[in-house]
Amino acid sequence: RKEVEQDPGPFNVPEGATVAFNCTYSNSASQSFFWYRQDCRKEPKLLMSVYSSGNEDGRFTAQLNRASQYISLLIRDSKLSDSATYLCVVNSGAGSYQLTFGKGTKLSVIP
Amino acid sequence: GAGVSQSPSNKVTEKGKDVELRCDPISGHTALYWYRQSLGQGLEFLIYFQGNSAPDKSGLPSDRFSAERTGGSVSTLTIQRTQQEDSAVYLCASRPSASPGELFFGEGSRLTVL
Repeated sequence: RKEVEQDPGPFNVPEGATVAFNCTYSNSASQSFFWYRQDCRKEPKLLMSVYSSGNEDGRFTAQLNRASQYISLLIRDSKLSDSATYLCVVNSGAGSYQLTFGKGTKLSVIP
Repeated sequence: GAGVSQSPSNKVTEKGKDVELRCDPISGHTALYWYRQSLGQGLEFLIYFQGNSAPDKSGLPSDRFSAERTGGSVSTLTIQRTQQEDSAVYLCASRPSASPGELFFGEGSRLTVL
């Protein structure tokens, strides 16, 4: 099993749609979880951290299920500017500074 | 600028040549990472530096790859005897020690080995 696995995508959705991305991780000792966004031919940038209690930032909601080793990202009211690749990122174990990136899920929001 | 700076932005080289890629992290950031991203692939961890501690080299794919960080700031990634499979975008990132998760990436160095 790969360390971090994501939905293969691509996701093509109309503007205004709600879209959800899923991610599973293999190391039960992982403690830090993040979603990064990467625009085409650009560097990744942090979108949001994922907390145990779940967290929301505007139209974006992230959730963590430690028992299932599962992370999700929900985007409501999709905008054209949300088109990007979304990367699930997990640290490699308790106290580990090494961050493992998933391959990403590509989102295209269509007018 | 205030961000992570990488050079060169693009490098085309012939198989068998050595290349050096440079990263200038954000001032004050103690942690520095190198990743590489091949076309259509995820980011692959290469090496990590934290302050004066010994670097974590566990991600380097072969002994042709090496990296150093001088004075706790600028880092150089060296690839000796380049192979075509080394073609990728090499991304450097730095992190302020107080923030365990957020990595600030440079724009990358795109390496093409002919």
